[in-house]
Amino acid sequence: DGGITQSPKYLFRKEGQNVTLSCEQNLNHDAMYWYRQDPGQGLRLIYYSQIVNDFQKGDIAEGYSVSREKKESFPLTVTSAQKNPTAFYLCASSVQGFFEQYFGPGTRLTVT
Amino acid sequence: GQQVMQIPQYQHVQEGEDFTTYCNSSTTLSNIQWYKQRPGGHPVFLIQLVKSGEVKKQKRLTFQFGEAKKNSSLHITATQTTDVGTYFCAGLNSGNTPLVFGKGTRLSVIA
Repeated sequence: DGGITQSPKYLFRKEGQNVTLSCEQNLNHDAMYWYRQDPGQGLRLIYYSQIVNDFQKGDIAEGYSVSREKKESFPLTVTSAQKNPTAFYLCASSVQGFFEQYFGPGTRLTVT
Repeated sequence: GQQVMQIPQYQHVQEGEDFTTYCNSSTTLSNIQWYKQRPGGHPVFLIQLVKSGEVKKQKRLTFQFGEAKKNSSLHITATQTTDVGTYFCAGLNSGNTPLVFGKGTRLSVIA
């Protein structure tokens, strides 16, 4: 059963802590993406990777970091430097860069 | 940088009425994609338009790409409660630049 998994679905953290969100895909897609969604803001691109061991900053990369050591995995770390980390985080993948994207179920992060 | 504007932000319709959302880009696009996100869910790809003036239909949904490849629309005929959700357009420039999503149109359907 192919798809994208994100875990956990809900995540709660205290301010000042780093937190890593998981994203795994078994679609054999080359490209993977991280988006942040806030109410009324649509989808904003945080980071994207078009190939293993390479990634680029999106529009709102400050306070976030990623790695792409394996084709199937693209974890996102929300660091303590991110000023407003509470949001809905969506991971996506596509066969190649910017073809139709398949989204995971998302992780809702709350930082207090 | 490239911007994709989408209107309206919200639309409330009676079941059976038609609905249209519009997408406008500040630059010429190589293609445009449409996604639907149900409440509490994640975006799901609907369609991609590539050619100038292209029109595609999926049952009650009609997608258009403008002649200048700078605007697009999604029209739903005779809305149903299953159409509820947020519809996003996403534009792709030529070259290796990321998709840019509009802010979406949230559709509510009153039975």
